[in-house]
Amino acid sequence: EAQVTQNPRYLITVTGKKLTVTCSQNMNHEYMSWYRQDPGLGLRQIYYSMNVEVTDKGDVPEGYKVSRKEKRNFPLILESPSPNQTSLYFCASSTRDRGLVAEAFFGQGTRLTVV
Amino acid sequence: AQSVTQPDIHITVSEGASLELRCNYSYGATPYLFWYVQSPGQGLQLLLKYFSGDTLVQGIKGFEAEFKRSQSSFNLRKPSVHWSDAAEYFCAVGARSSASKIIFGSGTRLSIRP
Repeated sequence: EAQVTQNPRYLITVTGKKLTVTCSQNMNHEYMSWYRQDPGLGLRQIYYSMNVEVTDKGDVPEGYKVSRKEKRNFPLILESPSPNQTSLYFCASSTRDRGLVAEAFFGQGTRLTVV
Repeated sequence: AQSVTQPDIHITVSEGASLELRCNYSYGATPYLFWYVQSPGQGLQLLLKYFSGDTLVQGIKGFEAEFKRSQSSFNLRKPSVHWSDAAEYFCAVGARSSASKIIFGSGTRLSIRP
């Protein structure tokens, strides 16, 4: 079954304690991205990756890091989490259509609370 | 600036009634457009997309959307809603001049009145 798997689904942590949210896809997509979803703001892109070892900032990259060492995995790293990073996070991998980023397949989401 | 606007934060319709969710965009280049649905506790699922060609596109679950360039709109419609359609709906826009960028609207929450 084609899917994007994120872990963990729920996480409560303390300010400053490094954490990693994992993301894995089994569709051989080149393009992957991370979003955060906050009430009234929709989804905002944090980082994206066009392919292995190619990553770039999205709209809200501050406080986050990513890596893309393998095609299937795209972990999101919070080196020193702060309460304003409390949010619902989604990983997505996308197909391409006529060279353009097209349909996104989303993970189930990770609800992060930083206290 | 590039933007996507969903002017309705929350809509309630009766089961069996018709539905229209609004989406307006502001983009410099010719856009391509999507509608996604998010059920409670779930990720987003693609309902339909428009890249080119026929401006009326059909999607899953009986939804359709019409691209109107003159109005910069891509409204989502369904002739008769079911209770299972209660969810949050997101319009998203990509710009052909920036292939790596998809921008999402802020979403419209749909409630169904029995």
